[in-house]
Amino acid sequence: SAVISQKPSRDICQRGTSLTIQCQVDSQVTMMFWYRQQPGQSLTLIATANQGSEATYESGFVIDKFPISRPNLTFSTLTVSNMSPEDSSIYLCSASSGGGTYGEQYFGPGTRLTVT
Amino acid sequence: AQSVAQPEDQVNVAEGNPLTVKCTYSVSGNPYLFWYVQYPNRGLQFLLKYITGDNLVKGSYGFEAEFNKSQTSFHLKKPSALVSDSALYFCAVRESGTASKLTFGTGTRLQVTL
Repeated sequence: SAVISQKPSRDICQRGTSLTIQCQVDSQVTMMFWYRQQPGQSLTLIATANQGSEATYESGFVIDKFPISRPNLTFSTLTVSNMSPEDSSIYLCSASSGGGTYGEQYFGPGTRLTVT
Repeated sequence: AQSVAQPEDQVNVAEGNPLTVKCTYSVSGNPYLFWYVQYPNRGLQFLLKYITGDNLVKGSYGFEAEFNKSQTSFHLKKPSALVSDSALYFCAVRESGTASKLTFGTGTRLQVTL
């Protein structure tokens, strides 16, 4: 299994600012993903982070608001830009290691973001 | 489009009793099915998966799940619940042969009491 770490674990930010969340995996993985989760609720996929190319965004999420980088097979960043209180949420990094298209996904501990 | 339904927001069970957390799914082709558990202020932990083969899948912490194709269900079960099993449980589905993109259910909160 893959072990995933995220930094920061939590932050309180002012509206209009941006925050970059880092995700580090302890082994090379084929797929990396970013999710958003309101506490106690389900997960919403923001985008798939593609190594060496632009991320693939889900409906309702755009690159200008959530720019993503993935410079190599073990690292990715998600930036939440021009934040508003509605962006307050838990952001989760996920990775799929091996197993082709049916490999299970592993999750980081999440970054709890509060926007004031 | 693929989807997952978890009809119960919360399941309450006494310690030592069997537990069931329900999940039904919808996909166009063959499903790959997963269960995850989330403890407070933690990320999701993988419990078990069904890809193919035996319909009864055994996973971590004594959990198991049964794949039922005719009922399009993948219910999570445990013969004897523990207070420490209290957490939020998510069912997820991916269609076979597609890129790795999971669709999650809304989650079921399991509360195990003494």
